[in-house]
Amino acid sequence: DIQMTQSPSSLSASVGDRVTISCRASQTIVTYLNWYQQKPGKAPKLLIYAASNLESGVPSRFSGSGSGSVFTLSISSLQPEDFATYYCQQSYSTPLTFGGGTKVEI
Amino acid sequence: EVQLVESGGGLVKPGGSLRLSCAASGFFFNSYSMDWIRQAPGKGLEWVSSISSRSDYIYYADSVKGRFTISRDNVKNSLYLQMNSLGAEDAGVYYCARDRGDDTADYWGQGTLVAVSS
Repeated sequence: DIQMTQSPSSLSASVGDRVTISCRASQTIVTYLNWYQQKPGKAPKLLIYAASNLESGVPSRFSGSGSGSVFTLSISSLQPEDFATYYCQQSYSTPLTFGGGTKVEI
Repeated sequence: EVQLVESGGGLVKPGGSLRLSCAASGFFFNSYSMDWIRQAPGKGLEWVSSISSRSDYIYYADSVKGRFTISRDNVKNSLYLQMNSLGAEDAGVYYCARDRGDDTADYWGQGTLVAVSS
């Protein structure tokens, strides 16, 4: 199974800050990497697919980069509605696996 | 508008069974693979199972293989998860999700809660 490791597990930031979240796969997954946002009590929402493609309707302050085994989710200017938990997920092979999550707090 | 509505969750005793359902609307259900993904209380996301559009490819996580069965009815636009021999480790919110073909879950339901307790 491919292990996905996110860092940090949590971070504190302020509105307007630039935030970067890292995700590392235990083997190469090319660009088969998705990012999801989850708010408390809600279902996850797809933000970025195939490592760097912005899902329709997602604000352009979100961006993804990386290939191989190291990936990054960036939020250019944190907004109040961005405080949430973020998960990476590899779609390279089954079993599909998620990172442990990064909680972005005020 | 794509909608996925799960149902069937509830409280079950250890060793018991439950059948989850997911009603889909707003898209051509018979053209998409579908996934079940779960989340234990206070924990992260765990993929459970996937089924292809015509049910010819089915996959399970090792943690549920032999106990859970995924199925679908393309006439009723519905996805199912039969869960047997439930244990405490199976408790959590179960989400159904549309898989747009590259193992990317682009739409999710609101989830249904499964509790396992005597």
